[in-house]
Amino acid sequence: AQSVTQLDSHVSVSEGTPVLLRCNYSSSYSPSLFWYVQHPNKGLQLLLKYTSAATLVKGINGFEAEFKKSETSFHLTKPSAHMSDAAEYFCVVSDWSGNQFYFGTGTSLTVIP
Amino acid sequence: GAGVSQSPSNKVTEKGKDVELRCDPISGHTALYWYRQSLGQGLEFLIYFQGNSAPDKSGLPSDRFSAERTGGSVSTLTIQRTQQEDSAVYLCASSPRLAGGNEQYFGPGTRLTVT
Repeated sequence: AQSVTQLDSHVSVSEGTPVLLRCNYSSSYSPSLFWYVQHPNKGLQLLLKYTSAATLVKGINGFEAEFKKSETSFHLTKPSAHMSDAAEYFCVVSDWSGNQFYFGTGTSLTVIP
Repeated sequence: GAGVSQSPSNKVTEKGKDVELRCDPISGHTALYWYRQSLGQGLEFLIYFQGNSAPDKSGLPSDRFSAERTGGSVSTLTIQRTQQEDSAVYLCASSPRLAGGNEQYFGPGTRLTVT
């Protein structure tokens, strides 16, 4: 079975400092992994995805994530937080068919001015 | 191009009434998903449609919930005899169902409030 664990329900950083949102996955095959962002009262927007190509994936708004098979992790990072990054972030894994998606419980990111 | 659209954006209904929520996926996307997001919670999978295959209804919480997808495009989620615990944001997503790694494209959601 596939599953995703987001290790922090809430992360708070100061503006201009690095962001790290942690995600561990469980999968019996080579997974596809995604990060989505949800701003208040908005729908979910894809930040980036990993599909067995390069292990370091670059996404929109300066975010990137590294797929580490040995650690079953797919942590999301950004070198310098911006106030507009304050949102809810979801880590997602898809099943072998690419049909079903399994969402983490989300990490709420607060950016302190 | 046009993204996934959902209507209505907000719906307030009285307990016991039936409601219908509509989703228009991106043209050409063969896969369509419904999720529920309660306040401060993650996404709860409800149902999945893929082309002409039988839908995966494994996430529907009770028999008061049903969904259909007509002509492989527009989908309607129906909740009968609504209860207060049905209050949530209902999100629809579509996917092009290419080979593995296809992402989902989400609509803005319908906020349902049951009074």
